[in-house]
Amino acid sequence: SQTIHQWPATLVQPVGSPLSLECTVEGTSNPNLYWYRQAAGRGLQLLFYSVGIGQISSEVPQNLSASRPQDRQFILSSKKLLLSDSGFYLCAWSVIQGTHETQYFGPGTRLLVL
Amino acid sequence: AQTVTQSQPEMSVQEAETVTLSCTYDTSESDYYLFWYKQPPSRQMILVIRQEAYKQQNATENRFSVNFQKAAKSFSLKISDSQLGDAAMYFCAYRSTNFGNEKLTFGTGTRLTIIP
Repeated sequence: SQTIHQWPATLVQPVGSPLSLECTVEGTSNPNLYWYRQAAGRGLQLLFYSVGIGQISSEVPQNLSASRPQDRQFILSSKKLLLSDSGFYLCAWSVIQGTHETQYFGPGTRLLVL
Repeated sequence: AQTVTQSQPEMSVQEAETVTLSCTYDTSESDYYLFWYKQPPSRQMILVIRQEAYKQQNATENRFSVNFQKAAKSFSLKISDSQLGDAAMYFCAYRSTNFGNEKLTFGTGTRLTIIP
């Protein structure tokens, strides 16, 4: 069965510091991968998605970036964090089967920027 | 662009009763997918149910069922025999079937409280 991992689970970082959040998927090949952010009390906002190694699409321009160095690894990064980067970051994966695709989410990373 | 609206920020229901959560959406597409996700206090998003727009039959998953009204662009979730473990945020989501546009568009969520 497929599983998705995210780490760290919680992170407290000072403003201006770098960021690296990692997401890995097991039990599937060539998944679509997604990074979402959820601000407190709000819905999910898609940040990046990837349909393959090295293929990244950005939905929202900001100081975050994403990379996919391996088929089942998706990394969210920042060179300098802002206070507004605080939130809950969710990674998701999906596999398209015909016209069917369902996204499954990881446990999330809670980021607090002080 | 597609939008998803959940007009009920909070709902509550007595344990063992039935509750319906509302969701409306706006799209110009004729084929798409709709989802309900549950987010418990752990904050992990859990898929509850999905509906393909080309299917007229409403999806059901055990105690969870939807009322999909395509013409009205409405997609409500009915939870029967509510249980304490159903307490969570519930998000409605839309996904296009167009290749290259696989992202989910979420509503702002409904917080469901179960009253013992």
